[in-house]
Amino acid sequence: EDQVTQSPEALRLQEGESSSLNCSYTVSGLRGLFWYRQDPGKGPEFLFTLYSAGEEKEKERLKATLTKKESFLHITAPKPEDSATYLCAVSGFGSARQLTFGSGTQLTVLP
Amino acid sequence: EAGVTQFPSHSVIEKGQTVTLRCDPISGHDNLYWYRRVMGKEIKFLLHFVKESKQDESGMPNNRFLAERTGGTYSTLKVQPAELEDSGVYFCASSPATPTPTDTQYFGPGTRLTVL
Repeated sequence: EDQVTQSPEALRLQEGESSSLNCSYTVSGLRGLFWYRQDPGKGPEFLFTLYSAGEEKEKERLKATLTKKESFLHITAPKPEDSATYLCAVSGFGSARQLTFGSGTQLTVLP
Repeated sequence: EAGVTQFPSHSVIEKGQTVTLRCDPISGHDNLYWYRRVMGKEIKFLLHFVKESKQDESGMPNNRFLAERTGGTYSTLKVQPAELEDSGVYFCASSPATPTPTDTQYFGPGTRLTVL
């Protein structure tokens, strides 16, 4: 059974204070690891897909990296508008195309 | 391009009643998924359609839940009769038909279901 654990559960940063969110996973053959952003009352918004260890992707202040056991979402010089819940999900070859989600990290960036 | 839409955004019903949720995927997307989040827990998979066929319904909790996708376009998820533990947020997602083994799923805003 695929499993995803995210840490920390909540993170408060000052504007401009860089940090990283962690996503540890176990999966029977990784199809892909996905990062989503979710704002209150809205659905998950796609950020990145990572397919293999060593892969990195960037978008504005966000950078996602992947190893064989975990993924990191690095946030550089965050702004208050980056405040949201960040979700990690995996798709494994043993579980068709369904996504297995972690419980998310709630990020608050203070001005 | 319009995103995934869901209707209603919020539904409040009493235990034992029936509710039907609707999802309109992104135009041209063959894959359609239903997920739900209950009681502050993580989002969980319910089922997956490819066009009008159910590809994987391993996440459906019991036979009170019925999903359909007539004509391979929009989908409905009916809960009959609703129980208290069905309360939560139901998300729909869609992805295009691609030859690659992994496709990105795009989510709708969700339907918040409250069963009293």
